[in-house]
Amino acid sequence: DAGVIQSPRHEVTEMGQEVTLRCKPISGHDYLFWYRQTMMRGLELLIYFNNNVPIDDSGMPEDRFSAKMPNASFSTLKIQPSEPRDSAVYFCASSPGLRGVQITQYFGPGTRLTVL
Amino acid sequence: GIQVEQSPPDLILQEGANSTLRCNFSDSVNNLQWFHQNPWGQLINLFYIPSGTKQNGRLSATTVATERYSLLYISSSQTTDSGVYFCAVERDRDTGFQKLVFGTGTRLLVSP
Repeated sequence: DAGVIQSPRHEVTEMGQEVTLRCKPISGHDYLFWYRQTMMRGLELLIYFNNNVPIDDSGMPEDRFSAKMPNASFSTLKIQPSEPRDSAVYFCASSPGLRGVQITQYFGPGTRLTVL
Repeated sequence: GIQVEQSPPDLILQEGANSTLRCNFSDSVNNLQWFHQNPWGQLINLFYIPSGTKQNGRLSATTVATERYSLLYISSSQTTDSGVYFCAVERDRDTGFQKLVFGTGTRLLVSP
């Protein structure tokens, strides 16, 4: 398997613009997670899905952030409008859940977002 | 919420040395994982270890759930071991299955 795929790997945008981050989880994994990593706050869980349904979005910082999972092989994280404080590395991860031998999460390479 | 503390925050080793990284957590957990973030930013899962001991090559981990800590041992360290090591815990199924809380990490530098 190719692992978790994220695109783009780097994104530079200007304040106020819409940003869309994309993720393809590992095939067969039931859970998908979006994390954000910053120097100040470390790794934070933003939202996670089970079987394409959002389960917990309590980590989403503001209404400017939204996430969707229209099918089992694709998810997006959207920021509209973007602000400089949104600059961070955004990771997507997936997990086989209880069907897996070990309940581990597998991370994508991340998208480094810079908002000017 | 649950607190996850890792020590030491920074560690510098000579190649070939051994080290122990510690993770303390403030409440009972269902799930504990160790991750390595390499210098290029990639997060790699090392161990799923809610209790007991596991070994994988030069790495091993032990979790004593009743005492709320986990240890990661690195033996005969290599320069490729450099990076940040994170401990992450899932408190319990009532607060969210697989809802991991990450520690602040231990930054390891192994010099040749």
